[in-house]
Amino acid sequence: AQKVTQAQTEISVVEKEDVTLDCVYETRDTTYYLFWYKQPPSGELVFLIRRNSFDEQNEISGRYSWNFQKSTSSFNFTITASQVVDSAVYFCALSEAIYNTDKLIFGTGTRLQVFP
Amino acid sequence: DADVTQTPRNRITKTGKRIMLECSQTKGHDRMYWYRQDPGLGLRLIYYSFDVKDINKGEISDGYSVSRQAQAKFSLSLESAIPNQTALYFCATREGQGFNEQFFGPGTRLTVL
Repeated sequence: AQKVTQAQTEISVVEKEDVTLDCVYETRDTTYYLFWYKQPPSGELVFLIRRNSFDEQNEISGRYSWNFQKSTSSFNFTITASQVVDSAVYFCALSEAIYNTDKLIFGTGTRLQVFP
Repeated sequence: DADVTQTPRNRITKTGKRIMLECSQTKGHDRMYWYRQDPGLGLRLIYYSFDVKDINKGEISDGYSVSRQAQAKFSLSLESAIPNQTALYFCATREGQGFNEQFFGPGTRLTVL
């Protein structure tokens, strides 16, 4: 069965520290998609990235980077030089292609607090 | 204007009352979804719709019903609200082709007393 695990419930860092949010997934499908969403204190969900199972290249977008490793079923998210505005709950999610339902299976989220 | 809107944004109701949460989108997407978010549980899918005539149950549909009135509108109803339906509810849309990201509305915070 498909499952997404975000073992870190809450992380606290001081501004300018680097922080990595872990995401481990389980799937029986060979074709799947992984996502990260950000939920700031205001409550909305903001899409950050999508990655398909055939593309294992790491991606960098400004201070954000993602490390996708199929061998360990992980899709980790790193924020470099964190800022107070990065404080939010971050969700990792999985969508399997085989069922054609495109349901998103969410992890339970990691709350990141960045202190000045 | 926001692409995905939800009304109301906040609602307090009593046990046994019927309540409807509404979602509208201007993105022109065929696919629409309702999720609920509970602390420590992430988001869970209640119902989803691929088009006006195609509505499907998600993992936690008991106690809920939906109506897809048009491509742009997808409503969630609680026929007889109970306290454990207190949660944050999100509507989302997605373009039909491929596995693109879902776009979420701002959420409706529902409290059932």
